[in-house]
Amino acid sequence: QQQVKQSPQSLIVQKGGISIINCAYENTAFDYFPWYQQFPGKGPALLIAIRPDVSEKKEGRFTISFNKSAKQFSLHIMDSQPGDSATYFCAASNAGKSTFGDGTTLTVKP
Amino acid sequence: DGGITQSPKYLFRKEGQNVTLSCEQNLNHDAMYWYRQDPGQGLRLIYYSQIVNDFQKGDIAEGYSVSREKKESFPLTVTSAQKNPTAFYLCASSYSGNRRQPQHFGDGTRLSIL
Repeated sequence: QQQVKQSPQSLIVQKGGISIINCAYENTAFDYFPWYQQFPGKGPALLIAIRPDVSEKKEGRFTISFNKSAKQFSLHIMDSQPGDSATYFCAASNAGKSTFGDGTTLTVKP
Repeated sequence: DGGITQSPKYLFRKEGQNVTLSCEQNLNHDAMYWYRQDPGQGLRLIYYSQIVNDFQKGDIAEGYSVSREKKESFPLTVTSAQKNPTAFYLCASSYSGNRRQPQHFGDGTRLSIL
């Protein structure tokens, strides 16, 4: 049973555009929702994270929107750059244990 | 610099052979994790450990074994019972307990069958 569903699987955006990746979860016990960025041949690295008592968190060009009632959260990348081209994973955590989405491969065209 | 070191970066396994992947962290984290990553799939949890000398099976533990004799180290053995071991293996660590903290990942070991 997949507890975190991520979409789309791949995304192509023009430089300067907005990239949007969506995730949905089922288990209401999750209490921490991080997003990770992964470049080829490297491990994932934390990009931004949110707690369920907050509806939005912004760090630079990256924003998480969180809808607790719908059990959905999304990552918005504003002014997307070619250097943002990577795979993005959402995750949902409880007591330190995380469940990951299947990942979204983002390509930003110059 | 604090971080997680995985070695080797590439590993080849022969039929019937057990291989061990190394993971060391100097972040003073209590919890450590092993994930398997296949193309087009998310990270699947193999084993995790919240404290020294204790570990739990994750979602895909069959054919794998671990030990946690030291806080800094969490080696993973891929046994001959794992019939499809080709994958990218990632080790991670975090603070344990109910703290809302991210996991920190190493740069992985890519395992292939000879």
